[in-house]
Amino acid sequence: GENVEQHPSTLSVQEGDSAVIKCTYSDSASNYFPWYKQELGKGPQLIIDIRSNVGEKKDQRIAVTLNKTAKHFSLHITETQPEDSAVYFCAASRMDSSYKLIFGSGTRLLVRP
Amino acid sequence: DSGVTQTPKHLITATGQRVTLRCSPRSGDLSVYWYQQSLDQGLQFLIQYYNGEERAKGNILERFSAQQFPDLHSELNLSSLELGDSALYFCASSFYSGGFEQFFGPGTRLTVL
Repeated sequence: GENVEQHPSTLSVQEGDSAVIKCTYSDSASNYFPWYKQELGKGPQLIIDIRSNVGEKKDQRIAVTLNKTAKHFSLHITETQPEDSAVYFCAASRMDSSYKLIFGSGTRLLVRP
Repeated sequence: DSGVTQTPKHLITATGQRVTLRCSPRSGDLSVYWYQQSLDQGLQFLIQYYNGEERAKGNILERFSAQQFPDLHSELNLSSLELGDSALYFCASSFYSGGFEQFFGPGTRLTVL
């Protein structure tokens, strides 16, 4: 069945350092990969996404890379700040009529001041 | 603020009861998705509606049902509630059924006692 594995489950970095979160998907038909940030008491917030016809996408301090052959994708956050502390979820989806998201298990990121 | 609204914010009820969760999508969005977030299962897709019609079903229990009304708001009905139904329930919306980002609401926290 469809499955997305996400690592690590927790990540602690010093402010200013980089953070990398990795995900692997099982459904080879998946071709849309969003990343969500969830702060305490709030709903998931879309921070960046990538489609399978692109290998890398960047938005300021955030970047996502995709390796279709290996079926994995990663989130890179550079120059981390305390406000980056949150739970991050990767997800995978087919670009079919539904677009339902299959989520990873989440990574709790702590940025130490 | 994603533009997706959910009510109520919190709901406390007893086993065996029935509750209704409400979602209003972003203005102009035609598609509504329901997700359940629990500690042991993570974020799981339940069901999707597009312009009033069911489009996709995920791991939704038979005790649960949903609908989307002509004004595009959606309701998730949970009946014969069990302790294990306690979770956060999120609604997300997107413009079309596929090909567009999903934006999540703030969620409804359901506690079954």
